[in-house]
Amino acid sequence: DQQVKQNSPSLSVQEGRISILNCDYTNSMFDYFLWYKKYPAEGPTFLISISSIKDKNEDGRFTVFLNKSAKHLSLHIVPSQPGDSAVYFCAASRRWNNDMRFGAGTRLTVKP
Amino acid sequence: DAMVIQNPRYQVTQFGKPVTLSCSQTLNHNVMYWYQQKSSQAPKLLFHYYDKDFNNEADTPDNFQSRRPNTSFCFLDIRSPGLGDAAMYLCATREQGYGGYTFGSGTRLTVV
Repeated sequence: DQQVKQNSPSLSVQEGRISILNCDYTNSMFDYFLWYKKYPAEGPTFLISISSIKDKNEDGRFTVFLNKSAKHLSLHIVPSQPGDSAVYFCAASRRWNNDMRFGAGTRLTVKP
Repeated sequence: DAMVIQNPRYQVTQFGKPVTLSCSQTLNHNVMYWYQQKSSQAPKLLFHYYDKDFNNEADTPDNFQSRRPNTSFCFLDIRSPGLGDAAMYLCATREQGYGGYTFGSGTRLTVV
């Protein structure tokens, strides 16, 4: 039962353009959402998060949008840089619960 | 630097031969997790420790066991590895009250 879904296994964008990575979830009890970035041969690293009391959180070039009614969140990277090329995982949890569920990841390739 | 360290990075084991993967942390986080990630799939939570309290996911096979002798160390024991257990195993830690995990670099297990 996959509660967090990333339906696009890969995405390719041109340097300087916007990258939009999407994530859907099914469990309405989730109230905390995170994005992780993973380079080859490394563990995932935390990128940005959003609580369900917000619909947007911004950190530099990275913005996460949350649409609770649609159970959908997205990560926007503007402008995209070649160093952003990595696998991006969406994750969701109940904040005070130990259970974090991950999506399968989207491999982003930013072309120079 | 405070971090989560997994050893070894690559482990090859024989079918049916017990194997232990290790994880250590210098963050003094009280929550530790083990995830299994197979190729192109979402990381799957196997179990976690909240301090010394062990929490097993309902669908984690009995073949998988874990030990946490102290705050810093956590071990994953696979009693009789099968070919289907070949995967990346990720250890993560979290401080109580915070949602973000700190991951280790993972151990890639190959079963021959």
